[in-house]
Amino acid sequence: GQNIDQPTEMTATEGAIVQINCTYQTSGFNGLFWYQQHAGEAPTFLSYNVLDGLEEKGRFSSFLSRSKGYSYLLLKELQMKDSASYLCAGMDSNYQLIWGAGTKLIIKP
Amino acid sequence: DAMVIQNPRYQVTQFGKPVTLSCSQTLNHNVMYWYQQKSSQAPKLLFHYYDKDFNNEADTPDNFQSRRPNTSFCFLDIRSPGLGDAAMYLCATSRGVLAGQETQYFGPGTRLLVL
Repeated sequence: GQNIDQPTEMTATEGAIVQINCTYQTSGFNGLFWYQQHAGEAPTFLSYNVLDGLEEKGRFSSFLSRSKGYSYLLLKELQMKDSASYLCAGMDSNYQLIWGAGTKLIIKP
Repeated sequence: DAMVIQNPRYQVTQFGKPVTLSCSQTLNHNVMYWYQQKSSQAPKLLFHYYDKDFNNEADTPDNFQSRRPNTSFCFLDIRSPGLGDAAMYLCATSRGVLAGQETQYFGPGTRLLVL
């Protein structure tokens, strides 16, 4: 079966760094997406990885290891506005997104 | 600005009363998706259109129907809403479904409440 696993909730401190992990099992693989979703709002696209390695985009970076079926999202210099759910989604061989339930990130002052 | 628009943002309906949610896009994307998302759960794909080609997910109830009259607009019809259909309904678009085209962009969502 196809599955995405990520922690349900994480807590971090303003100004710090946090890493949100995601493991995936998909039928075929066409990339790994990260989306940010604030409470009551729609997901917004953060990053896409299809090759192994680290992609950096400002304060946010995303890493992929295809051999391990593993990705992480790294958030630096945390701000209060980063409090949100972070959704990991893998794209299978049919180009369908398999979504995780999201990791709720709580930022404390 | 190019975007995905959903109306209304909040919709209240009565048990069993048909309701239609709308989505429009100015991105000129070929693919439009409808997702259902309940609190603290992953988005669940209901169906998608590639141009006029309709693709229904196997586990999408018959109670849910969709129409795409043109490239810009897509509608979600819930024929007889039940209490379990209360959720956020998300519309998304992508340029295509193949490599380099597959990133999905979401509208703000419509929160449906069934009384």
